[in-house]
Amino acid sequence: EVQLVESGGGLVQPGRSLRLSCAASGFTFDDYAMHWVRQAPGKGLEWVSGISWNSGSIGYADSVKGRFTISRDNAKNSLYLQMNSLRAEDTALYYCAKDWRHYVTTNFDYWGQGTLVTVSS
Amino acid sequence: QSALTQPASVSGSPGQSITISCTGTSSDVGSYNLVSWYQQHPGKAPKLMIYEGSKRPSGVSNRFSGSKSGNTASLTISGLQAEDEADYYCCSYAGSSTDVVFGGGTKLTVL
Repeated sequence: EVQLVESGGGLVQPGRSLRLSCAASGFTFDDYAMHWVRQAPGKGLEWVSGISWNSGSIGYADSVKGRFTISRDNAKNSLYLQMNSLRAEDTALYYCAKDWRHYVTTNFDYWGQGTLVTVSS
Repeated sequence: QSALTQPASVSGSPGQSITISCTGTSSDVGSYNLVSWYQQHPGKAPKLMIYEGSKRPSGVSNRFSGSKSGNTASLTISGLQAEDEADYYCCSYAGSSTDVVFGGGTKLTVL
């Protein structure tokens, strides 16, 4: 059974940093691209970042470019999102999602339950 | 990267058909046959319903279908059922090697 379990969310002050993690199991992690998708309270989905199977291809939404860094450790079956210079508008539920190809597509076939990030003073 | 444009809400009665549009540009929807559709029930993670514009993943009802014309993609749900009531999001590849963009979402109400 595929499982994606996010962690690392919480309350953080504007300008500070936070690192999210996603522990994957039930599939061959290094065969697939992975993504972070967020959803602000009561709002729609927003793609944040994606990374190919070997980290050779990485992309970011304009809203987080230069502040967030996605990475993965295939030996640990884990995906990460380093979030720096956090802003109030980064407040959201952050989902980890599995792509069904080794390169980035728009087909996310499994999702975690999300970890909530709240940016507030 | 601009969000794709979807109607905020649509509604229909059980048994009817509805269509949700998703309008992008020639840089995203119009250039690639890489539009996906997701269903999200309240408090739940999204579920992939359509990929590559018109294909259904295994296990998704054939009442769900997708199409594209120019810069606009569409999701049609036929034979509406109460459990179809949810939010629906389109998603498109948007150029370069890794750009992905979602629509703003459409709330489907089954009357």
